[in-house]
Amino acid sequence: DQQVKQNSPSLSVQEGRISILNCDYTNSMFDYFLWYKKYPAEGPTFLISISSIKDKNEDGRFTVFLNKSAKHLSLHIVPSQPGDSAVYFCAAKALDSSYKLIFGSGTRLLVRP
Amino acid sequence: DAEITQSPRHKITETGRQVTLACHQTWNHNNMFWYRQDLGHGLRLIHYSYGVQDTNKGEVSDGYSVSRSNTEDLPLTLESAASSQTSVYFCASSESYTGELFFGEGSRLTVL
Repeated sequence: DQQVKQNSPSLSVQEGRISILNCDYTNSMFDYFLWYKKYPAEGPTFLISISSIKDKNEDGRFTVFLNKSAKHLSLHIVPSQPGDSAVYFCAAKALDSSYKLIFGSGTRLLVRP
Repeated sequence: DAEITQSPRHKITETGRQVTLACHQTWNHNNMFWYRQDLGHGLRLIHYSYGVQDTNKGEVSDGYSVSRSNTEDLPLTLESAASSQTSVYFCASSESYTGELFFGEGSRLTVL
């Protein structure tokens, strides 16, 4: 039973437009949510996170929104750039399992020039 | 600069062989993790450790073992490799209560 789900395996967006990546979760005990970015043949790298007590966190072109009632979070990238083309993983940490992350299956983003 | 390194980066082995993937970090983090990445499954936790002599099973631990004799290293051993263990393996470390992990570059294992 997947606790963190990314239902869109891929997304294609024109350069300069907004990219919206979505993630759903089932465990109401998650206290932090994170997004990781992964290029081919490299390890995932941390992108942005949000605490469960907040509904928005922004870092430059990247904004994460959390809707606790819907158990849904999204990552917005504005404006999208070709260098953003990568696989994006959503992850969550449970309050009672220090440091351990549960990951979604990933969404491959392609930003077309 | 602190880093986390994995070796080998690529390995091909035969069914039934024992394989060990090395992970070494210079962050001085107490918490270390092994994940495997498979298409359609994302990253799944195999084993993790919160300190020297501490090891714990993750969601897909069958057929794998780890040991933690010092802070820097968490080797992952496949006792008898199976074709289902063909995957890309990532080691990670952390000291952040917010969950931020630092990943190695991965080890691609093929079991024939």
